[in-house]
Order: sequence, then C-alpha cells, then structure tokens
Amino acid sequence: DAGVTQSPTHLIKTRGQQVTLRCSPKSGHDTVSWYQQALGQGPQFIFQYYEEEERQRGNFPDRFSGHQFPNYSSELNVNALLLGDSALYLCASSLGDSPYEQYFGPGTRLTVT
Amino acid sequence: AQTVTQSQPEMSVQEAETVTLSCTYDTSESDYYLFWYKQPPSRQMILVIRQEAYKQQNATENRFSVNFQKAAKSFSLKISDSQLGDAAMYFCACLENGNKLVFGAGTILRVKS
Repeated sequence: DAGVTQSPTHLIKTRGQQVTLRCSPKSGHDTVSWYQQALGQGPQFIFQYYEEEERQRGNFPDRFSGHQFPNYSSELNVNALLLGDSALYLCASSLGDSPYEQYFGPGTRLTVT
Repeated sequence: AQTVTQSQPEMSVQEAETVTLSCTYDTSESDYYLFWYKQPPSRQMILVIRQEAYKQQNATENRFSVNFQKAAKSFSLKISDSQLGDAAMYFCACLENGNKLVFGAGTILRVKS
C-alpha cells in the first residue's frame, strides 16, 4: 500500500518564475492538504482540496493556487516566486470523514534564488 | 483562530531515560484533536500520538504517552526509555475546523548515548 508521494524531491527556481509541485495521496484517501514549512519553523496550512474543490484556505496570497484531479492527486502552483517562498512543501492526505488521520508525504524542498 | 505554543526550542535526554516535551494550545472549539508529530532529518512527518479532547483518558502508544490537561489547555508528550532513533524535531498540533492542522514551532530532541 503506497503512502503519500510527492514530486519532485528538490527544486531550484529563480525569483519571478512559476513552479508546480505534485502529490499523490495514500491509497483510498480523497482529501489533500498542502503545508509550507519554512526552515526551523512549524508547517503552515496553505489549502485543502476535496472532491476537486478548494475546501479551506490558509493565509496565503493568490499566487498560491492548486488543483485536484479525479484520481484525487493534487498540484500546488506558485506564481511570481519570491525569495521568501523557499521552503519545504508538505502534502498530507486523509479520508473526507476522518480528518484526524492525516498522512504526510516526504515533501518537496523548493529553493528560490 | 487556534494557536499552539511549544516553549522548549531544544531538549536533550540520555539514552534509556525519560523526557517530557511541553505544549500549550488555545482554541474556542469544544471538540478537537491534538497530535504530536515527529520529523527526523529525512523530513517525513510521522504521527506519534493522537488525543481526542472529549476523551479524558490520556493516550498511550508504546513508549510514548501524553499528559492532557484540558482545563489548562496543556498537552505534553512523555517519551520513556529514550532511544537514539527518537532524535528528531517534534511538533505539537491541533486540528482546527475539522480539517486544518495548526502546528507549534517545534522542539528539537537530542538523544545522548
């Protein structure tokens, strides 16, 4: 049973560029949440997708957008990258009626230069 | 909004000894979940233990147990018989609005042999 997977593992981008990160949820899970973890800090909630809709959003600008596909996988897009967007981006999956069981992927390390 | 506070940036424990990590939280919700997650250098966020607020009994998972004081809004993690593999960053988190995890800043745990 595959757990949560994320790609790529590492990514280096230049300020002003756009980036797409990908997440495949644990088998059987239908909900995907994205978190940003700056170095030395706790993860911050970006948004959550359920049934291909954004269900909840954290305090992040519109430059951060996402998508969920019919197979429940998800993408996180960040436009007009800033140096401050450098962070570990974590994806967590869960079952819609069991939000208290969130399983995390290994994360994507994004570096903006 | 919920807040989670971890007042210990770093803790050390001798192998085979016991250590307690502190966490306080603030929430206006009457029913909620609290969690301790472990994040080793591999970056994978691993669930250590979960507590449902309506359950008065403290959760236990093998060498890991919590001291949940609902009135004081305190949720500490006790690790017994510490092992070298316990060395990691530990995050306390609270589930908000049934979907969103709010994390503390983390505590680095070092285990000395």
